[in-house]
Amino acid sequence: AQKVTQAQTEISVVEKEDVTLDCVYETRDTTYYLFWYKQPPSGELVFLIRRNSFDEQNEISGRYSWNFQKSTSSFNFTITASQVVDSAVYFCALVEGGADGLTFGKGTHLIIQP
Amino acid sequence: NAGVTQTPKFRILKIGQSMTLQCTQDMNHNYMYWYRQDPGMGLKLIYYSVGAGITDKGEVPNGYNVSRSTTEDFPLRLELAAPSQTSVYFCASSPIAGGPLETQYFGPGTRLLVL
Repeated sequence: AQKVTQAQTEISVVEKEDVTLDCVYETRDTTYYLFWYKQPPSGELVFLIRRNSFDEQNEISGRYSWNFQKSTSSFNFTITASQVVDSAVYFCALVEGGADGLTFGKGTHLIIQP
Repeated sequence: NAGVTQTPKFRILKIGQSMTLQCTQDMNHNYMYWYRQDPGMGLKLIYYSVGAGITDKGEVPNGYNVSRSTTEDFPLRLELAAPSQTSVYFCASSPIAGGPLETQYFGPGTRLLVL
């Protein structure tokens, strides 16, 4: 069965600090996709990234970067030079090849203090 | 392109009442999903549909029903509301190419309170 663990319930940092959100997943499938979504205080879910199990290249998008390591079953998310607008709950999610829908972690509440 | 829209945004129900949560997408996506999000938790799949006329249960389907008569609409029906159904409900859709493996785009959510 697939499972996603986000061990960090809440993280609080001061603006401009770098912060890494951890995501560890479990799956028996060799074909799967990993996602990160952002849920700002307004409540909607905003898609950030999708990565398949055959592509372990790290990805950078502006201040955001993702580190995918199959050896440790992790897909961590780093925000560089954090800003107050980054304050949100961030969800990591997994879908296996034969699954019906996404399996979400419980989320990490990120607080960026000015 | 409005994406995925949901109505209502917020609703209070009394125990035993019924209601339908509406979901519409204008992206011509075949796959649609309903999730619920309980406080401090991630989302859990209630029902999904791979196209008009085809629906199936997800992880937590009890107390809910769905129908899919068109590509655009995927309503979720609550029969005999219970306090355990107090949650935020999200509808999502994804294109047919990879189905659930594709990026799912979410609606703004419906907050439901059952008292």
